[in-house]
Amino acid sequence: DGGITQSPKYLFRKEGQNVTLSCEQNLNHDAMYWYRQDPGQGLRLIYYSQIVNDFQKGDIAEGYSVSREKKESFPLTVTSAQKNPTAFYLCASSRGTTSYNEQFFGPGTRLTVL
Amino acid sequence: EDKVVQSPLSLVVHEGDTVTLNCSYEVTNFRSLLWYKQEKKAPTFLFMLTSSGIEKKSGRLSSILDKKELFSILNITATQTGDSAVYLCAVYSGNTPLVFGKGTRLSVIA
Repeated sequence: DGGITQSPKYLFRKEGQNVTLSCEQNLNHDAMYWYRQDPGQGLRLIYYSQIVNDFQKGDIAEGYSVSREKKESFPLTVTSAQKNPTAFYLCASSRGTTSYNEQFFGPGTRLTVL
Repeated sequence: EDKVVQSPLSLVVHEGDTVTLNCSYEVTNFRSLLWYKQEKKAPTFLFMLTSSGIEKKSGRLSSILDKKELFSILNITATQTGDSAVYLCAVYSGNTPLVFGKGTRLSVIA
């Protein structure tokens, strides 16, 4: 069963803690992405990676970090430097980042800071 | 700065109505425009448009792109309650992988 998995579905964090959100894909896609979605907003790009061991900042990278050690995995760490981390986080993947590659999305992780 | 604007932001219709959702964009190096449907969680792909004037169709949904006027529309005919969702428009440009609009929340009531 090919697809993208994210875990956990729901995550609660105390202020000042770092948390890591998992994203795994078995679609053999080269590119992976992290988006943040707030109520009434579209998706805003946090980071993306076109190839293993390489990644680029998106529009709202401050307070987040990523790694891409394996093609299948692109974890996102929300650090204590992120001032307003409560949001819905979506991971996506595509064959590449050129114009004709549709992105497939995971089910998302809802992060709540207490 | 690349920008994608969707309208309306929300819409309530009755079952059987036809709706038109709008997406306008200002991006450098336009490559393609995509429509997604988001119900509870993951957005699901609907259409990818790259050429003006060519309608893409899937059942009751259709979409068309106008590259001269920089917009796209998504039409849904004979709406059903299962069409209730947020519809997202996104554009590929030469800068970042995808730029998303804020979405249109469609509610279809019986």
